[in-house]
Amino acid sequence: EPEVTQTPSHQVTQMGQEVILRCVPISNHLYFYWYRQILGQKVEFLVSFYNNEISEKSEIFDDQFSVERPDGSNFTLKIRSTKLEDSAMYFCASSVGLSNEQFFGPGTRLTVL
Amino acid sequence: QQQVKQSPQSLIVQKGGISIINCAYENTAFDYFPWYQQFPGKGPALLIAIRPDVSEKKEGRFTISFNKSAKQFSLHIMDSQPGDSATYFCAAIPSSNTGKLIFGQGTTLQVKP
Repeated sequence: EPEVTQTPSHQVTQMGQEVILRCVPISNHLYFYWYRQILGQKVEFLVSFYNNEISEKSEIFDDQFSVERPDGSNFTLKIRSTKLEDSAMYFCASSVGLSNEQFFGPGTRLTVL
Repeated sequence: QQQVKQSPQSLIVQKGGISIINCAYENTAFDYFPWYQQFPGKGPALLIAIRPDVSEKKEGRFTISFNKSAKQFSLHIMDSQPGDSATYFCAAIPSSNTGKLIFGQGTTLQVKP
């Protein structure tokens, strides 16, 4: 069964460093998303992406964040200068269409020291 | 502000019992209401979903009840099993439809054998 994959599973970084979180969405999906979940809290929307453009972004997704689909298979989230409060689980998701099920990856746990 | 409120925060049910989780939304028109199940260390996975033109949807032991006028929807798990022990999130997609999922705060369900 096709699945969304994410790497790395755990990333530890120093405050102020850049990190890139990688995702491989399901191959025939057209819509891509990033969400984050701070430990013990709800899942929060960061950004949606379609046709090589951001469709919508949340208030959390400020200038320190960017997304890219560098080739036909990868979808990346970059945080330019990490802060302590960026520590969270980051989930990538993809869907065939807007109203279809979003399939989530297993997540990348980001720890900022 | 778009919000989905979920209760209870945690729930303990005996095996074979009925688990009920409630959600309410406010301020915004939503047109898709999925429920996600999340096991520790995993990403959320779609359990069941409903659109607002339907008042109830049943899939196996899982039923969503939807009250459009009250802006409330709930998940019922019949004959709850220990394997159902997980965190459950209700969610909603706004009618603006960029695919953004707005999640509730989550309910941790424990089913005792």
